[in-house]
Amino acid sequence: AQSVTQLDSQVPVFEEAPVELRCNYSSSVSVYLFWYVQYPNQGLQLLLKYLSGSTLVKGINGFEAEFNKSQTSFHLRKPSVHISDTAEYFCAVSGVGSGYSTLTFGKGTMLLVSP
Amino acid sequence: GAGVSQSPSNKVTEKGKDVELRCDPISGHTALYWYRQSLGQGLEFLIYFQGNSAPDKSGLPSDRFSAERTGGSVSTLTIQRTQQEDSAVYLCASSWGQQETQYFGPGTRLLVL
Repeated sequence: AQSVTQLDSQVPVFEEAPVELRCNYSSSVSVYLFWYVQYPNQGLQLLLKYLSGSTLVKGINGFEAEFNKSQTSFHLRKPSVHISDTAEYFCAVSGVGSGYSTLTFGKGTMLLVSP
Repeated sequence: GAGVSQSPSNKVTEKGKDVELRCDPISGHTALYWYRQSLGQGLEFLIYFQGNSAPDKSGLPSDRFSAERTGGSVSTLTIQRTQQEDSAVYLCASSWGQQETQYFGPGTRLLVL
């Protein structure tokens, strides 16, 4: 079984400031890792994913995340946020291999960008 | 191209009534997932269909919940004898296959009065 912890339920930040949203996971098997974004009253949109290879993953809208196996973390970063980045961000994990296709999500982090 | 669509977008029902929620996956996607998003529980997996295999129902919270997928495409999630704690947003996702990226629909917001 897998679990995901997003340590911050809300992160307030000023426009053009950098931001880091934290995600830690636990799993008894190897994992794939994902970040999804949810804008108000919309479904989930994939930001980026780590499957294998380079531990630094770049996604859409200028976001990136780094997979750290020893710390079981997959923190999301953006060097300069915009007002339009205000949304809820979900970290998710799935196990590697057949029988592990479903996603386990964290509770989400609300990113609040103010001018 | 068309994404995952869900209907209705909003549903208000009375406690004890049955409801059906529909999901149209992306054409050609063989895997289909249902998740529930509620204030208290966050995002939870409900059920997973892969091709013609038996569905993984391990996330269904009670026997009042069931789902079917006809012809390997459209899926219907049915909740019988709805309870107030069933109020949530029900999200559907599809993917090309196992372990592939899941694409989510906009969800159905269910309110049980």
